[in-house]
Amino acid sequence: KAGVTQTPRYLIKTRGQQVTLSCSPISGHRSVSWYQQTPGQGLQFLFEYFSETQRNKGNFPGRFSGRQFSNSRSEMNVSTLELGDSALYLCASSLVETGSGEQYFGPGTRLTVT
Amino acid sequence: QKEVEQNSGPLSVPEGAIASLNCTYSDRGSQSFFWYRQYSGKSPELIMSIYSNGDKEDGRFTAQLNKASQYVSLLIRDSQPSDSATYLCAVNPPSGGQNFVFGPGTRLSVLP
Repeated sequence: KAGVTQTPRYLIKTRGQQVTLSCSPISGHRSVSWYQQTPGQGLQFLFEYFSETQRNKGNFPGRFSGRQFSNSRSEMNVSTLELGDSALYLCASSLVETGSGEQYFGPGTRLTVT
Repeated sequence: QKEVEQNSGPLSVPEGAIASLNCTYSDRGSQSFFWYRQYSGKSPELIMSIYSNGDKEDGRFTAQLNKASQYVSLLIRDSQPSDSATYLCAVNPPSGGQNFVFGPGTRLSVLP
């Protein structure tokens, strides 16, 4: 079974621009979570989508948004990019529909904001 | 604020020794706990999940959970140089869904 895939793998943007990242979960997984990883803050939860609905949201500004499609693929968008948004953005999918279960990460998208 | 704490390391052990990694968490209602391994430049890879008090073994890895002490640990037996990585402890708060809180990670170095 194919793992979680993320595109693009690398991205360079300029301050003020916006960016859209894509994630395809493992086949059959309907929960998709997004995380931001930086050297200073570590791995931080952005949001989770399940059945096209945002189920949980982390403590990030409204510039960070996401959505999920009917095939469980998910996108996240960051508007008005800031230098501090430079990070590894990770997507994780889970088979569990209620309660808690294992999450599997994709390779990540490395975003650099200049 | 929900927190997960780990010693940042680096933790150095000789090849063949047991590596012991520790994690504490603040949300007493948490029920699900996970250990991930992350090699430099790569994404986290799931090693173990544990949901009940006690030990859970998988090959060279043993996870231990003590909910009363809010403590999770990971033991790696017969450590190999290929085990050198950062180990992340993750806790899923009882808020429903999948919104893991990660610790800062412990960097493990296994010396040949």
